[in-house]
Amino acid sequence: QQPVQSPQAVILREGEDAVINCSSSKALYSVHWYRQKHGEAPVFLMILLKGGEQKGHEKISASFNEKKQQSSLYLTASQLSYSGTYFCGTEIDNDMRFGAGTRLTVKP
Amino acid sequence: DAGVTQSPTHLIKTRGQQVTLRCSPKSGHDTVSWYQQALGQGPQFIFQYYEEEERQRGNFPDRFSGHQFPNYSSELNVNALLLGDSALYLCASSFIGFGGSGEQYFGPGTRLTVT
Repeated sequence: QQPVQSPQAVILREGEDAVINCSSSKALYSVHWYRQKHGEAPVFLMILLKGGEQKGHEKISASFNEKKQQSSLYLTASQLSYSGTYFCGTEIDNDMRFGAGTRLTVKP
Repeated sequence: DAGVTQSPTHLIKTRGQQVTLRCSPKSGHDTVSWYQQALGQGPQFIFQYYEEEERQRGNFPDRFSGHQFPNYSSELNVNALLLGDSALYLCASSFIGFGGSGEQYFGPGTRLTVT
């Protein structure tokens, strides 16, 4: 089953923060986060391999709550370049399932 | 270092025809996964190849088949094309390492249109 992402879309002003959530109905092996800009391929952001793990790159970070089967992506002080559709991918038995995506728009 | 490459970039086929899409993984990667992405949706997992064998398969009919070669490149074949097969087909490569799909690097995709 596909993971469920929320919200479906969000509009921000530059400098604002956002949180994107991803939840699964099944126990997860790992959670992947990708960003896709219009007309381009998805780009890998980060992977979380175990419960409690948190990762970050510059002002984008993520957490993985294994018990709740949830992951959240945090975007801090958003930049125009953060605009795109964010997908979480959940891995169960080598089977990758992606959510429907969250469309993030950052305006000046 | 070349990333993941796919060919062709665009393809137009007629219902009932067969198509072959190709993918070359990123250098150092040994695993190739194929995805179908319809407009406005997330990628849907088709299957994954590792060591020239299908390691896992998503909910796609047998019309979708694949192959991985000794140099880790891969092909996706779709037989008896349907209008609903029109989509962007993405290939992603990764290094299995100690297990799991690892960080996946996507190619630019092949846009397939079935008329």
